[in-house]
Amino acid sequence: GENVEQHPSTLSVQEGDSAVIKCTYSDSASNYFPWYKQELGKGPQLIIDIRSNVGEKKDQRIAVTLNKTAKHFSLHITETQPEDSAVYFCAASGSTSSGGYNKLIFGAGTRLAVHP
Amino acid sequence: KAGVTQTPRYLIKTRGQQVTLSCSPISGHRSVSWYQQTPGQGLQFLFEYFSETQRNKGNFPGRFSGRQFSNSRSEMNVSTLELGDSALYLCASSQGTTGNTIYFGEGSWLTVV
Repeated sequence: GENVEQHPSTLSVQEGDSAVIKCTYSDSASNYFPWYKQELGKGPQLIIDIRSNVGEKKDQRIAVTLNKTAKHFSLHITETQPEDSAVYFCAASGSTSSGGYNKLIFGAGTRLAVHP
Repeated sequence: KAGVTQTPRYLIKTRGQQVTLSCSPISGHRSVSWYQQTPGQGLQFLFEYFSETQRNKGNFPGRFSGRQFSNSRSEMNVSTLELGDSALYLCASSQGTTGNTIYFGEGSWLTVV
């Protein structure tokens, strides 16, 4: 079945360092890969997404890379700040052949702690 | 532009009761999907509605159902509640085509006692 693996489950960095979270997906037909940040008591907030026709996308301190051949994608946060502390989820879209449409398969999440 | 709105935010129900949760998508979005989030199972897809039709369904029992209205607002219902149904229920909206950006609401926290 469709599956997304996410590593690491916890990540602790010093303020100003970079953080990298990696995900691997199983469905080769997946074409949409969003990343969400979830703070305590809140819903997932979209921080960046990438589609299968693009290899890399950057938005200020956040970047995402996609390797379709290896079926993995990564989130890179540079110059981390304490307010970046949260749980981050990667996701991959279900494929249209399986009726995926807007079905997202989520990774298990990474708890990021940025220490001042 | 208003985001995805879910009501109620918090509720407590007793085993055996039923519950209805509501979601208003972003204006112009025609797709609404629902997810269940628990510490043990993570984020799991329940179902998706587009133009009042369910077009995708996850692996949940028939006690979980939903519907969508002509204005794209959606409701989900859980009947005969079990303790294990305690979770954060999240609604997400998008324009509806595969690959469209998907936005989440703040969720409805359901506690079953």
